[in-house]
Amino acid sequence: KAGVTQTPRYLIKTRGQQVTLSCSPISGHRSVSWYQQTPGQGLQFLFEYFSETQRNKGNFPGRFSGRQFSNSRSEMNVSTLELGDSALYLCASSLGGARDEQFFGPGTRLTVL
Amino acid sequence: AQKITQTQPGMFVQEKEAVTLDCTYDTSDQSYGLFWYKQPSSGEMIFLIYQGSYDEQNATEGRYSLNFQKARKSANLVISASQLGDSAMYFCAMREAWMDSSYKLIFGSGTRLLVRP
Repeated sequence: KAGVTQTPRYLIKTRGQQVTLSCSPISGHRSVSWYQQTPGQGLQFLFEYFSETQRNKGNFPGRFSGRQFSNSRSEMNVSTLELGDSALYLCASSLGGARDEQFFGPGTRLTVL
Repeated sequence: AQKITQTQPGMFVQEKEAVTLDCTYDTSDQSYGLFWYKQPSSGEMIFLIYQGSYDEQNATEGRYSLNFQKARKSANLVISASQLGDSAMYFCAMREAWMDSSYKLIFGSGTRLLVRP
């Protein structure tokens, strides 16, 4: 069974640009969550999608948005990039139940110059 | 607010010895889940072990076991017979329940473990 895949793996953007990251969950998983990891703030929850609906959201500005498609693939968008958005963005998928573990992808490393 | 605390930024252990990574948590929920993840330098988070708040027995998964002390709100990870490949960052996380079955993970700051040959 294929794991969670994220594309691209590395990305370099400049301030003010926007970026879209993609996540393909494990087959059969309907929940996709996104996390931001930085040296200063650690791992922080961005949002979770389940069956194309945002079910939960972390404390991030509106520049961070996401969506989920009918095949459970998810995209995350960051508009008007800031230097502080440089981070490893991790996507995780699960079956969606409260006891279900989340399987993480390899992450997308975003660098904002 | 729920919080996870890992007080050991870095630890060393000799190969083949056991090591305990500390994790304490704070929550007012009665139902919660605790997870441990390993993050090698490649960046991918690897699930190690899960403990539910109502589980009576401590969780075990191969060389990993979780020392769950509910009254003390601690969920320490024990790695037995350490291997060089165990060198990585280790994160303790708690599931925060939120409506229906939705949840998000609250992570601790992590412990960097280095296994010496």
